[in-house]
Amino acid sequence: DIQMTQSPSTLSASVGDRVTITCRASQSVSSWLAWYQQRPGKAPKLLIYKASSLESGVPSRFSGSGSGTEFTLTISSLQPDDFATYYCQQYNFYPWTFGQGTKVEIK
Amino acid sequence: QLQLQESGPGLVKPSETLSLTCTVSGGSISDTSYNWGWIRQPPGKGLEWIGSIYYSGDTDYNSSLKSRVTISVDTSKNQFSLRLTSVTAADTAVYYCARFMVSFGGRGFNIWGQGTMVTVSS
Repeated sequence: DIQMTQSPSTLSASVGDRVTITCRASQSVSSWLAWYQQRPGKAPKLLIYKASSLESGVPSRFSGSGSGTEFTLTISSLQPDDFATYYCQQYNFYPWTFGQGTKVEIK
Repeated sequence: QLQLQESGPGLVKPSETLSLTCTVSGGSISDTSYNWGWIRQPPGKGLEWIGSIYYSGDTDYNSSLKSRVTISVDTSKNQFSLRLTSVTAADTAVYYCARFMVSFGGRGFNIWGQGTMVTVSS
C-alpha cells in the first residue's frame, strides 16, 4: 500500500498568515492527489483534485502543487473558517490512502 | 443538488455484521461519471477508504478489509450498501458514503454524506 505522510501534524497560525502543508507519498502517484478540509463534527470537503486543480466553489486562497511523491497545499491568507484539519489522498493505486491529517490551529 | 444520506444501526455487537445503506437523492447512481465509496474515521483518528462501487456493480476494496467487506448497489432504489462482517471494537467509527468523480482520470470525493457513527459493543 502507498503510505501518505503529512507534515506538520499540527500547525499554529494567525489570521492572515500564509500556510503550507506538505504531503509525501511512499512511491509516485503522478498527479492523482486530492486535498480535503474537515471541520470538527463535519464530513470532509474536497478542496483540490489532480494535485493542483481547484474544486468549484473553493476560495482561490487555496492552491495545490506537486507531482510524483511530494505535494503541497498552500493557503495564501488564513481566514477564520480555515482553522480545521486537512487531509491528502492518493487515488493512483488501490487501496486509495489518506495522509494522517494536519490540524491548523489558532496561534 | 445531489445529496447522500447514510442509514443503519448505530450499535453493533462484536462478531456480528455491520450493515449500512447510502441513499442518493437529486441525481442518479447510474451516472457513469462517478463511482460511490465508503470511508470511515475512528474517533479522533484519520480517514480510511473502505471500498468503492460502480453502478455496474464492479467493486474495489481496501485489502486490509477485503475478506470482511461487501459493497453492493441497487440502482432501482438509487442506493448502495456496505456490509462488514465479524466486527470488533476496532471497527467503531464514523462511516461516510461519498461520490467520486472518475471523469478525466479522477477528481476526488466531491460529495459526502453527513456520516453515521457506528459503535461496536456488547
